[in-house]
Amino acid sequence: ETGVTQSPTHLIKTRGQQVTLRCSSQSGHNTVSWYQQALGQGPQFIFQYYREEENGRGNFPPRFSGLQFPNYSSELNVNALELDDSALYLCASSKSLAGGSSTDTQYFGPGTRLTVL
Amino acid sequence: AQSVTQPDIHITVSEGASLELRCNYSYGATPYLFWYVQSPGQGLQLLLKYFSGDTLVQGIKGFEAEFKRSQSSFNLRKPSVHWSDAAEYFCAVGANYGGSQGNLIFGKGTKLSVKP
Repeated sequence: ETGVTQSPTHLIKTRGQQVTLRCSSQSGHNTVSWYQQALGQGPQFIFQYYREEENGRGNFPPRFSGLQFPNYSSELNVNALELDDSALYLCASSKSLAGGSSTDTQYFGPGTRLTVL
Repeated sequence: AQSVTQPDIHITVSEGASLELRCNYSYGATPYLFWYVQSPGQGLQLLLKYFSGDTLVQGIKGFEAEFKRSQSSFNLRKPSVHWSDAAEYFCAVGANYGGSQGNLIFGKGTKLSVKP
């Protein structure tokens, strides 16, 4: 069984640029959630995708957007990068019966470390 | 609003000693609670979870946690710590309010160091 994978591992961008991060969900999982983990902090929920639609969103501006594909993989896009966007971005997949429940166990990938200069 | 507090930022224990990491949550109904561990440069690994039933939950790597509703706590314990347990530990509660179903709310984490 393949776990959650993310690419790239590390990324360096400059302020104002755009970035796309990718996530492949664990086999059999249909829901993907994205989290931002700033240095020294716990992960913060960005949004969740279920059946290719956004299913919930945290307190992040619209320049954070995403996609989920028919094979349940996902992308996180961030436009107009700011210095504060520097963080570890974590993707988590889960198997949901009805589109995201608090009882769904989320399995995390290793993350993408984004540095904005 | 739901929240999770981990009062200890950093804990150091000797190898072989017992461990207890504290977690307090704020939630109006029955919470869904999780403990995750993160090694340096790695993602999060699920240690254990509590949804309902027995308040003492067993997890992987010899960890257990006890849910105490009266104290709004879900503390993580291990009877004998190994050097490989050095990592950061995160407590989380499953959100379940409008637009956020399935979202996990994390504490800020407790970094565990193990002395030889």
